[in-house]
Amino acid sequence: GIQVEQSPPDLILQEGANSTLRCNFSDSVNNLQWFHQNPWGQLINLFYIPSGTKQNGRLSATTVATERYSLLYISSSQTTDSGVYFCAVENYGQNFVFGPGTRLSVLP
Amino acid sequence: DTGVSQDPRHKITKRGQNVTFRCDPISEHNRLYWYRQTLGQGPEFLTYFQNEAQLEKSRLLSDRFSAERPKGSFSTLEIQRTEQGDSAMYLCASSLGTPQETQYFGPGTRLLVL
Repeated sequence: GIQVEQSPPDLILQEGANSTLRCNFSDSVNNLQWFHQNPWGQLINLFYIPSGTKQNGRLSATTVATERYSLLYISSSQTTDSGVYFCAVENYGQNFVFGPGTRLSVLP
Repeated sequence: DTGVSQDPRHKITKRGQNVTFRCDPISEHNRLYWYRQTLGQGPEFLTYFQNEAQLEKSRLLSDRFSAERPKGSFSTLEIQRTEQGDSAMYLCASSLGTPQETQYFGPGTRLLVL
């Protein structure tokens, strides 16, 4: 099945800093989503982005499907951005597969 | 729209007991998914429904696990003869289906098997 890798596994930032999270996947995909899991365990959908670029406030994402990677940018980070960021992909009818996540801690 | 809801939010049970979890999806969503998440890991797919039809089951879903979605609305996930290894967060998600397969997750049910 499709493999998903995320980097870095852990990230510590000072409030106000910018960051880039990466997701690599091993095969072509028809669905890619970024999620944020808050400290209470709730998974929040950030972007549905199988290709192209999207922006939502301080967050933006880019997926280069031909090169099998996606990037999530967080600008002017806030303490409420802390949590785990997951990339999840679907390969044309296969199961939706999550990456191992990037754990982000934003310090005040 | 109140989003995806799950009940109960927490369940503690003794090994060997049966447990049942419920998921209520977003009302117009015809797809419903179950996932399991253990500490420090990403969610793992268990099964999904298109309306009332169960279309796919993971190899993770042993014979002790069964899921239903009668009438294509809410869904239940039952675990029979629970084992300590079943301790995990059980997550439900729903989506409209193609063309945009954005999945929306519920708050999860945290299961602890003693």
